[in-house]
Amino acid sequence: GAVVSQHPSRVICKSGTSVKIECRSLDFQATTMFWYRQFPKQSLMLMATSNEGSKATYEQGVEKDKFLINHASLTLSTLTVTSAHPEDSSFYICSAPTSQGPQGGYTFGSGTRLTVV
Amino acid sequence: SQELEQSPQSLIVQEGKNLTINCTSSKTLYGLYWYKQKYGEGLIFLMMLQKGGEEKSHEKITAKLDEKKQQSSLHITASQPSHAGIYLCGADKPTGTYKYIFGTGTRLKVLA
Repeated sequence: GAVVSQHPSRVICKSGTSVKIECRSLDFQATTMFWYRQFPKQSLMLMATSNEGSKATYEQGVEKDKFLINHASLTLSTLTVTSAHPEDSSFYICSAPTSQGPQGGYTFGSGTRLTVV
Repeated sequence: SQELEQSPQSLIVQEGKNLTINCTSSKTLYGLYWYKQKYGEGLIFLMMLQKGGEEKSHEKITAKLDEKKQQSSLHITASQPSHAGIYLCGADKPTGTYKYIFGTGTRLKVLA
């Protein structure tokens, strides 16, 4: 079945540095990738939608210059948190729609826990 | 505001008790998914419902989608501590551009 590999699973970075999170689709082509953020005790909030070969679409309130999304190929989408601050500490997860997904019509990465110190 | 509202927001039950979580949309849904999660961990897919009136079961968990495809319920029978976690419903956003969104979430705690 279709799998999305997300890396890193955990990362700790210093305030002011940038962190890149990768989501790779294995055995299928992901033309669309959804990126979510989750704070403790809250649900998953959609941050942006990336489409291969075009600019990402950001949800209201999400700074596109801070959260850089690149969908360079049909198998790779990346989220870069630039100039990270402690308030960016969160759980980030990606998802791709696929008819081959084991989780219904969507396949999820395993998530990245970001801690900014 | 969140387009998929879940209730209750949190729930604490004694082991062995039954419980129900609801997910409501103001628009007709094309498909409704249920997941279980612990914060900081990946999603565990539970069930997908597509047809109005559909009902599916897996072990002690049953999910239903109403005829209008605007509300779904997740019922856990004889709850166990292993059922504890965050339950999320997910669906294609019912209006506008193609997006996949989650409900507000329900935190479940089961007391042994």
